Amino acid sequence: QLQLQESGPGLVKPSETLSLTCTVSGGSISNSYYWDWIRQSPGKGLEWVGSISYRGATYYNPSLTSRVTMSIDTSRNHFSLRLSAVTVADTALYYCARRGHYYGLWGQGTLVTVSS
Amino acid sequence: DIRMTQSPSSLSASVGDSVTISCRASQDIFSSLAWYQQKAGKAPKLLLYTTSRLESGVPSRFSGSGSGTLYTLAISSLQPDDSATYYCQQYFTSPFTFGQGTKLEIK
Repeated sequence: QLQLQESGPGLVKPSETLSLTCTVSGGSISNSYYWDWIRQSPGKGLEWVGSISYRGATYYNPSLTSRVTMSIDTSRNHFSLRLSAVTVADTALYYCARRGHYYGLWGQGTLVTVSS
Repeated sequence: DIRMTQSPSSLSASVGDSVTISCRASQDIFSSLAWYQQKAGKAPKLLLYTTSRLESGVPSRFSGSGSGTLYTLAISSLQPDDSATYYCQQYFTSPFTFGQGTKLEIK
């Protein structure tokens, strides 16, 4: 069955760029779903970061839009997140998830800590 | 942004009991509401969508209701495995937003 797996550095320095990839296995990323990033921190709870379609259409949370870039590589069946100029407030568990309207499928999550 | 407010923040109940969790949206979300269950160290798991539709494989002990700005998750015949944090989420409009969570303890 379809599975999502996040990968990327677990530690990022302040002011640098956080980069994560979500690999989709067991099925194609090229369908009518959206592929999202959601993060979870003790302070902010669950927060939608952004969405990308297989055609590359992107939608970002307005609170993060100036720092977020999402991309998709259908040949490699993965999509990615870049968050620039990170601060300690960006420390969170980052999930990738598949969205029709709601989130029926999630990755296991990856913890990213922002610290010098 | 649509603000989602859950109540209570936590509750404790015994095996066999029934509980309800409320979720209030800051504006009408036209039944575009999902409920998730999250256990420690795990990703959220979809329980219900479109307010009351049960996700495949989810026990019928879980049910949802509501409209407009007020929604409810009900769990009957509580089992030890129901111990978790429950979140509501609106998908009526972007940015998609979640409630702050309700932690359910099974005594």
